[in-house]
Amino acid sequence: EAHLVESGGGLVQPGRSLRLSCAASGFFFDDYAMHWVRQAPGKGLEWVSGISWNSAILGYADSVRGRFSISRDNAKNSLYLQMRSLSADDTALYYCAKDRGSGGVSGMDVWGQGTTVTVS
Amino acid sequence: EMILTQSPGTLSLSPGERATLSCRASLSVGSSYLAWYQQKPGQSPRLLIYGASSRATGIPDRFSASGSRTDFTLTISRLEPEDFAVYFCQQSDASPNTFGQGTKLEMK
Repeated sequence: EAHLVESGGGLVQPGRSLRLSCAASGFFFDDYAMHWVRQAPGKGLEWVSGISWNSAILGYADSVRGRFSISRDNAKNSLYLQMRSLSADDTALYYCAKDRGSGGVSGMDVWGQGTTVTVS
Repeated sequence: EMILTQSPGTLSLSPGERATLSCRASLSVGSSYLAWYQQKPGQSPRLLIYGASSRATGIPDRFSASGSRTDFTLTISRLEPEDFAVYFCQQSDASPNTFGQGTKLEMK
């Protein structure tokens, strides 16, 4: 069974950096695009970033472009999100999600439980 | 950035009733790139529909969806108690990907 586990969240001061990780298991990680999606307390879902299977295609929400960087290590079945210049607006539960396809446009069919980032 | 507007914001219905949720896009969306998700309190989202009308694995057939270009609909034919949740549409046709703001389906 496909499984995603996020880590790296925590309390961080404004302006500082944080790196999130997502460990994947139960599926062939190399074959699929991956995403980060966040949800601020009591709010809806916001797509943050996505990466294709081979890291050739990267995408970012306007709100994080230039501050966040997505990457993956297929040898380690892991996805990462490097976050810089954090502000209170980045406070949210961050989900790692698997795409149904390799390019990142087919829908997100597996989700982790999320890791909480609090900027204060 | 493509904007997805979901309506209504809140829908109050009883078990057994039919639910119709709308997702309207600010630009035309290719049908392959429209998905619907369900989220219950304290849980991660779950993929219901991909490609505008295809049910994801394990999704009951009381869930159906349709639409094209700028207007998409999710229908739940006969509501079960476990269907009361928040529903989001999402597009991946235009970068960046975007979600609608959600429709809360609550029990009357």
